[in-house]
Amino acid sequence: EAEVAQSPRYKITEKSQAVAFWCDPISGHATLYWYRQILGQGPELLVQFQDESVVDDSQLPKDRFSAERLKGVDSTLKIQPAELGDSAMYLCASSLAGNPTGELFFGEGSRLTVL
Amino acid sequence: GNSVTQMEGPVTLSEEAFLTINCTYTATGYPSLFWYVQYPGEGLQLLLKATKADDKGSNKGFEATYRKETTSFHLEKGSVQVSDSAVYFCALFQGGSEKLVFGKGTKLTVNP
Repeated sequence: EAEVAQSPRYKITEKSQAVAFWCDPISGHATLYWYRQILGQGPELLVQFQDESVVDDSQLPKDRFSAERLKGVDSTLKIQPAELGDSAMYLCASSLAGNPTGELFFGEGSRLTVL
Repeated sequence: GNSVTQMEGPVTLSEEAFLTINCTYTATGYPSLFWYVQYPGEGLQLLLKATKADDKGSNKGFEATYRKETTSFHLEKGSVQVSDSAVYFCALFQGGSEKLVFGKGTKLTVNP
């Protein structure tokens, strides 16, 4: 069964360092999402891509976060510099273009701890 | 804007007990509604969904009915098992924006 791949699963870094997360969506899925899930809360959308274009990044803290999906397939989310408050699970999800069912397929997530 | 409100957790039940997790939503138009489950150490998995009013989603013994009149989508299971211990998220999907908006989640622990 096709899955959304994410790496790394776990990342520990010190504040002010740079960190990057990678996501490979299910083949053929044009829409890709990055969500942030702070412990004890629901996931919140950071950025949404349609192919290589950003559809919505209104909740992305652009002073320190960046996201790209250069070839419209895999994607990278970067944080520089990391702050203590960035400690969270970063979830990647994908869906078919137009998303006829409304279903998103999630990866296992990348857990970030900032010390 | 669109939002989802879930009952506060955590919820602790004994095996074979009846489960209800309340979920209400605020949205324009007619969103699709979902329950996702997150088992310890894993990503989110779709549990069930309903795309229009009065639809009932069901899976693994769990059920939820899309109630437009009360803007609710409560999750129920007649007899929970230890393996149901997880965090449950209610979510709505608005077709125009293609965004999934989540509630805060409800942690369920089932004791043997």
